Amino acid sequence: ETGVTQSPTHLIKTRGQQVTLRCSSQSGHNTVSWYQQALGQGPQFIFQYYREEENGRGNFPPRFSGLQFPNYSSELNVNALELDDSALYLCASSTSAGTGGSGANVLTFGAGSRLTVL
Amino acid sequence: AQSVTQLGSHVSVSEGALVLLRCNYSSSVPPYLFWYVQYPNQGLQLLLKYTSAATLVKGINGFEAEFKKSETSFHLTKPSAHMSDAAEYFCAVRNTGNQFYFGTGTSLTVIP
Repeated sequence: ETGVTQSPTHLIKTRGQQVTLRCSSQSGHNTVSWYQQALGQGPQFIFQYYREEENGRGNFPPRFSGLQFPNYSSELNVNALELDDSALYLCASSTSAGTGGSGANVLTFGAGSRLTVL
Repeated sequence: AQSVTQLGSHVSVSEGALVLLRCNYSSSVPPYLFWYVQYPNQGLQLLLKYTSAATLVKGINGFEAEFKKSETSFHLTKPSAHMSDAAEYFCAVRNTGNQFYFGTGTSLTVIP
């Protein structure tokens, strides 16, 4: 079974630009979550997609947006980049977000996309 | 609201010594708790999870964690540290919406 793959692995942007990060979920997983991990910090939940709809959002502004496609892959878009957006962006896939409290749900992470904003 | 707190941002142990990484949780409902490990330039890998089936949870690579409700703790231990255990370790709690809240991490250094 294939794991979670993310692209690009590294990228550099300047303030005000826009960026799109991509993620392919693990085979059999229907839910994708995105996390931001600033240097020296733990991952922070951005949002989650299930059945191509946003299904939960953390404390991030609307310039962070996403998509999920019928094959469960996903994109994270960030507009009007700021210096503080520099971070490792992690995609994670899982199963059956819609069923809520199943203890079996775990996140399978990709290696991340490291974004540097200058 | 659910959250976790990891005590000690850096822990150093000698090879062969006991590893103890601390995590305390805050949750108004029975929590789902996890430990993940992150090696340099990699994503997070699941070590173990607590889902109320048993208070002592065994994970991969010889790690285990014990859920203690009275202490609201879920500390990670390994009897004998190996050089390959050097990494960043994250405790996390999951809510019913499948959203994970991570601690700030503990960097483990293993001294030969």
